[in-house]
Amino acid sequence: AQRVTQPEKLLSVFKGAPVELKCNYSYSGSPELFWYVQYSRQRLQLLLRHISRESIKGFTADLNKGETSFHLKKPFAQEEDSAMYYCALRGIQGAQKLVFGQGTRLTINP
Amino acid sequence: NAGVTQTPKFQVLKTGQSMTLQCAQDMNHNSMYWYRQDPGMGLRLIYYSASEGTTDKGEVPNGYNVSRLNKREFSLRLESAAPSQTSVYFCAASGALSSYEQYFGPGTRLTVT
Repeated sequence: AQRVTQPEKLLSVFKGAPVELKCNYSYSGSPELFWYVQYSRQRLQLLLRHISRESIKGFTADLNKGETSFHLKKPFAQEEDSAMYYCALRGIQGAQKLVFGQGTRLTINP
Repeated sequence: NAGVTQTPKFQVLKTGQSMTLQCAQDMNHNSMYWYRQDPGMGLRLIYYSASEGTTDKGEVPNGYNVSRLNKREFSLRLESAAPSQTSVYFCAASGALSSYEQYFGPGTRLTVT
């Protein structure tokens, strides 16, 4: 079974500080991992996917298969990063749907 | 293009009342989804439709029914609303069931008293 766990419901950091949103997953095969973001009064949208290995808005995430984690990181947080973040997983084998974690609400304090 | 639209944006129901949440997409996507979002629970899949003419239960289908009216529209019905169904409901669409990118609507905030 696919399972995504985001252990922190709330995370608060100061502007300019590093931020790390944790995501752990459980899946027996090879997964694809994603981060979705929902800014205030905006729609939930895809932020990044692990396969692309790109940095979006200064955020990066590395898939660690040994630790079954896909933490989202940014070295210097900005106030506009305040949002709800969801980690999501999709199994590669077959036509499998996305499974979302519980979400982490990130607040960047000035 | 509007993407995914949902109506209404807000709704207050009394226990036992029924209502239908509407969702439409203009992206010509095959798959559509209904989620509910609750604090601490994240996004939970209620029902989904892989393609026009098919619907399947998700993680939390009890108390809901859906209709995939055509390729564009996917409605969610609460036959007898309960306070436990107070939530924010999101509709989403994707090219296929296996697509990693889902496009979300703005949400419907439902309160059941």
